[in-house]
Amino acid sequence: QKQLVQSGPEVKKPGTSVKVSCKASGFTFSISSIHWVRQARGQRPEWIGWIVVGSGSTNYAQKFQERVTITRDMSTATIYMELSSVRSEDTAVYYCAAENSFDYWGQGTLVTVSS
Amino acid sequence: QLVLTQSPSASASLGASVKLTCILSSEHSSYSIAWHQQHPDKGPRHLMKLNNDGSHIKGDGVPDRFSGSSSGAERYLTISSLQSEDEADYYCQTWGTGLQVFGGGTKLTVL
Repeated sequence: QKQLVQSGPEVKKPGTSVKVSCKASGFTFSISSIHWVRQARGQRPEWIGWIVVGSGSTNYAQKFQERVTITRDMSTATIYMELSSVRSEDTAVYYCAAENSFDYWGQGTLVTVSS
Repeated sequence: QLVLTQSPSASASLGASVKLTCILSSEHSSYSIAWHQQHPDKGPRHLMKLNNDGSHIKGDGVPDRFSGSSSGAERYLTISSLQSEDEADYYCQTWGTGLQVFGGGTKLTVL
């Protein structure tokens, strides 16, 4: 069945980078876009950015523009989200989701930033 | 500015129906939205994509009890024959050129 499987939880020191992966499987036809969203405890989801899978073009929310990079590896159907210079406020569950209407979600990756 | 507004909470009795509302900013009243369900400490689940004419496409395995409708800038999610497992947070979400927006979510309590 169609699923997005994300990498495991991460614990990072402030100022370092974190890279989360999202592997797509079961999609007979290509996904056109993958989005990344994060959700702090008790908050609404917050959009980080997206990648057009075919072309590799990206677009990031202004808040994350300077710190985030989304890439893809077509050979493994895996999409990556790297966030640099992390701080305590970046502690959240990070999700990937397919298509503009988020038709499929990954299971989430908890990123904890703590000294 | 693209904004989605939801009531923070709603409640209804087991077996009854409930209608949740998501309101688009007025200049974006024609936009499609999506509804997502999220249980405590779980990831979101896509319920449906809902268009401004009320047509909707449900996600994989979403029960017939869930339906969507639209009126002007308002988008609705109706859940009939409420079950205990419907108690969850419900988020609406929409997209524009180069951005995605979520509503604040509605916490549904099944009495």
